[in-house]
Amino acid sequence: AQTVTQSQPEMSVQEAETVTLSCTYDTSESNYYLFWYKQPPSRQMILVIRQEAYKQQNATENRFSVNFQKAAKSFSLKISDSQLGDTAMYFCAFMKHLTGANNLFFGTGTRLTVIP
Amino acid sequence: GAVVSQHPSWVICKSGTSVKIECRSLDFQATTMFWYRQFPKQSLMLMATSNEGSKATYEQGVEKDKFLINHASLTLSTLTVTSAHPEDSSFYICSAHLGGRTGYEQYFGPGTRLTVT
Repeated sequence: AQTVTQSQPEMSVQEAETVTLSCTYDTSESNYYLFWYKQPPSRQMILVIRQEAYKQQNATENRFSVNFQKAAKSFSLKISDSQLGDTAMYFCAFMKHLTGANNLFFGTGTRLTVIP
Repeated sequence: GAVVSQHPSWVICKSGTSVKIECRSLDFQATTMFWYRQFPKQSLMLMATSNEGSKATYEQGVEKDKFLINHASLTLSTLTVTSAHPEDSSFYICSAHLGGRTGYEQYFGPGTRLTVT
């Protein structure tokens, strides 16, 4: 079974500062994907960033980057130059790397508030 | 591209009635759709996997006779909550897999808030 753990229920950061959200996971799979999704008040799930487990290089998307430590099963999200629009729930998620469509396993989420 | 819609966005129904929620992929074909449930301030939990033209696969603990899923076409999956009760009140979200592409290419609908009175 796959489990995803987010140990920070809530976090806050000053606008323009940097914040890191933590995520750990447990799996016996050797190949998989990891994701960070953002859920703003509208509740629409928005993909922030994706990491393939077989890639050693950490993924980056503009102000968002991850620190992927496969051996430690850790997958943290760093948000640089935080903006007010970053205020949202952030979910870490795991997906098996199998042929065809696969569902996501979500963590419990971290509520991030960006303070002006 | 890759837009998924859900209808309705919010529905209120009386206890004992049934309600149908639609999930549509607007600009792509989705052979597989996933239905998730999200309780207030909680995470998304997979309810079932819906495959076009075949029976849905339900997660352990999800009553298949209560949550009827029909994936009749490559662009539409429906979730019907039968004999709804207040404890079924929740936020229901679907995601659609872009057929023929890698497993991670799936897109979420905006969700449906169900309130059972």
